[in-house]
Amino acid sequence: GAVVSQHPSRVICKSGTSVKIECRSLDFQATTMFWYRQFPKQSLMLMATSNEGSKATYEQGVEKDKFLINHASLTLSTLTVTSAHPEDSSFYICSARGQHRGNEKLFFGSGTQLSVL
Amino acid sequence: KNEVEQSPQNLTAQEGEFITINCSYSVGISALHWLQQHPGGGIVSLFMLSSGKKKHGRLIATINIQEKHSSLHITASHPRDSAVYICAVSFGGTSYGKLTFGQGTILTVHP
Repeated sequence: GAVVSQHPSRVICKSGTSVKIECRSLDFQATTMFWYRQFPKQSLMLMATSNEGSKATYEQGVEKDKFLINHASLTLSTLTVTSAHPEDSSFYICSARGQHRGNEKLFFGSGTQLSVL
Repeated sequence: KNEVEQSPQNLTAQEGEFITINCSYSVGISALHWLQQHPGGGIVSLFMLSSGKKKHGRLIATINIQEKHSSLHITASHPRDSAVYICAVSFGGTSYGKLTFGQGTILTVHP
């Protein structure tokens, strides 16, 4: 089946540094990519929606200058957490929507656990 | 307010038991998704429903649009079914748009 590859799976960084998370659709074209965040014992929360070649749409309360999203191609989207702080420590996961074998589908990445020291 | 409520929050079963997880939502939706999240976080999409019932292997998902309720059933449960099961709904005329998630049901199946 279709796969969304998300890297890295785990990252530890110092406060103030930037971290880039990459999601790549391996055998289909992702027309839309969604980025989510999940704090411990809480539900997944949508951060932003990005369509290939256009600016991302951010959910209320999500700082667009802090969480930079790039969706420059139909197979790659990146989320960069700029000037990371300990409160940004969370589980980040992407999902990609696109056509796979003639049907519209939604596939999830494997997630990235970010720890900011 | 768009809300998604799941029950139970935690569920423990013995191998072979029939399992039901419930999901209720507050407003009209385009579609309802059942997702499985394993330890480590990876998520697999199990079903997308807009009406009726779907079956895949030992998993069955049903939805009642009028009652705004869906159930996920697992027949002949197995320890490998242990995971978090998440109900999510999409609004606004598209089945694969932005999702609002339930809090998840932690399922543990003992051998």
